[in-house]
Amino acid sequence: DAGVIQSPRHEVTEMGQEVTLRCKPISGHNSLFWYRQTMMRGLELLIYFNNNVPIDDSGMPEDRFSAKMPNASFSTLKIQPSEPRDSAVYFCASSPQGGYTFGSGTRLTVV
Amino acid sequence: KQEVTQIPAALSVPEGENLVLNCSFTDSAIYNLQWFRQDPGKGLTSLLLIQSSQREQTSGRLNASLDKSSGRSTLYIAASQPGDSATYLCAVRSTGNQFYFGTGTSLTVIP
Repeated sequence: DAGVIQSPRHEVTEMGQEVTLRCKPISGHNSLFWYRQTMMRGLELLIYFNNNVPIDDSGMPEDRFSAKMPNASFSTLKIQPSEPRDSAVYFCASSPQGGYTFGSGTRLTVV
Repeated sequence: KQEVTQIPAALSVPEGENLVLNCSFTDSAIYNLQWFRQDPGKGLTSLLLIQSSQREQTSGRLNASLDKSSGRSTLYIAASQPGDSATYLCAVRSTGNQFYFGTGTSLTVIP
């Protein structure tokens, strides 16, 4: 199993641009989570899906953030328009009924 | 809301010492607890997963214990090595399928 796959690994974009982060969860895992990690705030849960359905998006900071999971093998996190304060490492994690497996993250820098 | 606390925030020990990292949580109604390791600039690697019905889990030099009633977990590392230097995070999965992370303990093992 290749684990949770995230792309891109690094993204540098200009303020105001749209950014799309991608995640492929582990096959058979029915829950998918998007986290953001910064030095100031640590790990913050943005949104999670169960069986492709968004369950809790209360962590999504603003309407500029949106997430989709069109099928069990793919999810996206979109930021439009991006701002410098969105700079962080974004992690995707998937889970069966047990613990998490994390992807390697996408380091986003908005200049 | 579940709150997860890790103490100390940072720890520095000489190589070969045994050490204990602490994790406490406020709501004992948990599904499981997971310990992770994070190296600088990297993702989270799962170390041990303890189900709510279990008291401890062991993997190599690592031993994690869980006391649900007191809201505590410990991660014991035996015979520490410089390669153990990393940030250690605990995450509590509530019965509502939410995960809550502690802020981590940064461990440095001095050769």
